[in-house]
Amino acid sequence: AQKVTQAQTEISVVEKEDVTLDCVYETRDTTYYLFWYKQPPSGELVFLIRRNSFDEQNEISGRYSWNFQKSTSSFNFTITASQVVDSAVYFCALGYGNNRLAFGKGNQVVVIP
Amino acid sequence: EPEVTQTPSHQVTQMGQEVILRCVPISNHLYFYWYRQILGQKVEFLVSFYNNEISEKSEIFDDQFSVERPDGSNFTLKIRSTKLEDSAMYFCASRYEVDNEQFFGPGTRLTVL
Repeated sequence: AQKVTQAQTEISVVEKEDVTLDCVYETRDTTYYLFWYKQPPSGELVFLIRRNSFDEQNEISGRYSWNFQKSTSSFNFTITASQVVDSAVYFCALGYGNNRLAFGKGNQVVVIP
Repeated sequence: EPEVTQTPSHQVTQMGQEVILRCVPISNHLYFYWYRQILGQKVEFLVSFYNNEISEKSEIFDDQFSVERPDGSNFTLKIRSTKLEDSAMYFCASRYEVDNEQFFGPGTRLTVL
């Protein structure tokens, strides 16, 4: 079965601190996709990144970075120098089959000014 | 930039009533999805739709649910006889090709009284 685990429910950080969100996935598929979405208080789902199972290259986009390690089935997300606007729920998701997404439970990030 | 739109933003209905949630996917996208998110919980896959038919559905998507693409632009989710537990945010998503990210609409909050 496909499963995504985000163990940390709520994380509070003081502005400018770094925060890392852990994501561990389970799948028997050899081809799959991993995603991170941001859900701000307004409720929409904002796409952040997609990775396919053959691409273990880490990525940096501004203050965001992602660390994909197939050996440990993890796809972790770091926000560097957090800002109040980063306060949101962040979902890790696994894409499989017809690219249906299995979401984790999400990490509520609260950035304290 | 093209986006997925959903109407209405909020729907309130009585238990046992039928509701239709509407989505307009991005115009050149080929794959369409519905997901739901019960308040405070993770996002759950309902159904995927491609080439005018359901390609995959979850165990949540029972006989009370149906989807349709009536006119080549709209993509609808119908719940025949709503239950209290159908209260949730319903997200529509679309994507172009197999490995592209899914773009989500802003969601419809359904409240069943």
